[in-house]
Amino acid sequence: GAGVSQSPRYKVAKRGQDVALRCDPISGHVSLFWYQQALGQGPEFLTYFQNEAQLDKSGLPSDRFFAERPEGSVSTLKIQRTQQEDSAVYLCASSLWDRGVGTEAFFGQGTRLTVV
Amino acid sequence: GQQLNQSPQSMFIQEGEDVSMNCTSSSIFNTWLWYKQDPGEGPVLLIALYKAGELTSNGRLTAQFGITRKDSFLNISASIPSDVGIYFCAGRGGSQGNLIFGKGTKLSVKP
Repeated sequence: GAGVSQSPRYKVAKRGQDVALRCDPISGHVSLFWYQQALGQGPEFLTYFQNEAQLDKSGLPSDRFFAERPEGSVSTLKIQRTQQEDSAVYLCASSLWDRGVGTEAFFGQGTRLTVV
Repeated sequence: GQQLNQSPQSMFIQEGEDVSMNCTSSSIFNTWLWYKQDPGEGPVLLIALYKAGELTSNGRLTAQFGITRKDSFLNISASIPSDVGIYFCAGRGGSQGNLIFGKGTKLSVKP
């Protein structure tokens, strides 16, 4: 597609429910990032993939958060046993490479997760 | 998690005014970026800076990479209504591409 696509756009989950958020990066983009954006805050880094390899998961807030990118394209962020503090917008971004001039990441529209 | 110090938090503008915002960090960065985010959308890149002291323009926007590598500013000249939104600075200093963002500067139109 033309841009980074995320689905669903909105998700309401009951506390304790598991959720899965999907990201379709721009075709051919090697790097994929997940960020969490709480209301009124800037995005915060969660995890980074280079192709199918998860090279950095230092930002995942707990072991309830899990991300995968099995074929180096589509990625899924899974949150188990959701809690109210997980309510946020989850942003996905992809780039041709991980750094350097002209390789900055493009962001999707995000998935707004509300845990009730 | 770590966030950069971005100021002001919010400001009101009148059409035609110049706007200035800045960002500081306790860490050194190799790259400074400025993004704009509209409601319900993801951040959109406005300007990227890769060298200390670099001054870069994109239309009415001008940004600079501080010589200490710990700060950056963004200026918007002759603001127009569509400039309204939230502006974020972001820095990158590590070996990988993940960014550290500021808390944002919200631009609104003066009533």
